[in-house]
Amino acid sequence: GAGVSQSPSNKVTEKGKDVELRCDPISGHTALYWYRQSLGQGLEFLIYFQGNSAPDKSGLPSDRFSAERTGGSVSTLTIQRTQQEDSAVYLCASSLAVTINEQFFGPGTRLTVL
Amino acid sequence: GESVGLHLPTLSVQEGDNSIINCAYSNSASDYFIWYKQESGKGPQFIIDIRSNMDKRQGQRVTVLLNKTVKHLSLQIAATQPGDSAVYFCAEKTQGGKLIFGQGTELSVKP
Repeated sequence: GAGVSQSPSNKVTEKGKDVELRCDPISGHTALYWYRQSLGQGLEFLIYFQGNSAPDKSGLPSDRFSAERTGGSVSTLTIQRTQQEDSAVYLCASSLAVTINEQFFGPGTRLTVL
Repeated sequence: GESVGLHLPTLSVQEGDNSIINCAYSNSASDYFIWYKQESGKGPQFIIDIRSNMDKRQGQRVTVLLNKTVKHLSLQIAATQPGDSAVYFCAEKTQGGKLIFGQGTELSVKP
C-alpha cells in the first residue's frame, strides 16, 4: 500500500513498562508528524520531523516521551515508564513538505496502559 | 492559550439535505485553516483548506467559509450522503506545519 502505516495497531501494556510505536510514512514525504487522540477528543500535536530533525517538540507531554526518525523515513515514538493517562490512539501523519497542508494520516496505534 | 473549538458536538441531518459544521478559533496568527474528516477506526482525512486571506473556498460538494472578524470557520456539505457520516475536525496550521485541532463534530446522516 502507498499510505502511512503504523505498528502495532493495538498495544496493551502494564503501567511502568516502556513502549515503542512505529510509523512508516509515505515514500518521499519529508515531513512527519505525531499526534495523540484520547477517547472522544480531538487530536493533540506531539512532535514533527523535517527530514531527521525535530524542530518542534513542544507537544511532548513529559520527558518520558521521545521520538526519532532515521533515514528520513521511519519514525519511532517511545514512551518510557508508561502511565494510565498515556492510554490513547497515537496517530502519525506525513506530508510532502511542511509547507504542504495536506497531511496523510495512518490508522493509528491504540495504546492501553493497565 | 490558543485553541480551536467547535460549536456543536453532534449534528444529525437527512440524506440529501445540506450540512453546516461550525468552528470557532482564538489564534489569528495562522496562515491556513483546514477541515478533516475522521471515520470510525481510521485516521483523519484531509477535506479542504482555506488561506487566511480568503473568505470562501469551494471543493467538490464542500464549501469552507472563513470569517476573520468573528474568528469563525464553517464547512458546508451539499446533498449530504450516508458516506459523509463521520467526525469532522477543524484545524489551524501553525508554523512548521503542526496542526491544532478542535474537538470535533459528529455528523450523522439519516437515510
